Amino acid sequence: AQSVTQPDIHITVSEGASLELRCNYSYGATPYLFWYVQSPGQGLQLLLKYFSGDTLVQGIKGFEAEFKRSQSSFNLRKPSVHWSDAAEYFCAAPSNTGKLIFGQGTTLQVKP
Amino acid sequence: DAGVIQSPRHEVTEMGQEVTLRCKPISGHNSLFWYRQTMMRGLELLIYFNNNVPIDDSGMPEDRFSAKMPNASFSTLKIQPSEPRDSAVYFCASSQGGSNNSPLHFGNGTRLTVT
Repeated sequence: AQSVTQPDIHITVSEGASLELRCNYSYGATPYLFWYVQSPGQGLQLLLKYFSGDTLVQGIKGFEAEFKRSQSSFNLRKPSVHWSDAAEYFCAAPSNTGKLIFGQGTTLQVKP
Repeated sequence: DAGVIQSPRHEVTEMGQEVTLRCKPISGHNSLFWYRQTMMRGLELLIYFNNNVPIDDSGMPEDRFSAKMPNASFSTLKIQPSEPRDSAVYFCASSQGGSNNSPLHFGNGTRLTVT
């Protein structure tokens, strides 16, 4: 079955440090892939998306993600984390029936 | 652009009562989704509509849940009767087209507590 997996439930980084959040998917063909961010008490907001073409995609708030077919991964990165980046991050991909499947989410805590 | 608007933001009700959650999608979007978020199960798609027509309701937990979209600018999710296990945050999202390649725009959710 198609699935999206985020191996890390909780990650803590120091402000100014680099960040990488992992996402793995299982699909037959190249999927569309998304990263969303959810701040407390808010809905999810799109950070970036990959459809085709350049495997390194840029998003809002200084985030980027790289699609690696060989590893079935779409990891989210940011070179220098800010305290305001503390939130929950979701990787997602549509199923073959059109449903958007979300990973379990990774909660990011930023230490001062 | 006002975004997806959900009401109420918070709802506290007693077991057995009827609950109605409301959603106004972004104007021009033709797909609407209802999600439920809990700590245990994460984000679950309950139902989605395309051009006001329910396309997939396989995520609706049971007959106590129903959703309608009478027009392009309004949708409701109703729980009757409500149970404590229905306590969750319910999100509405809309997109221009299906979710395959159209990003979803989420509302801020309705936090439902059933006592």
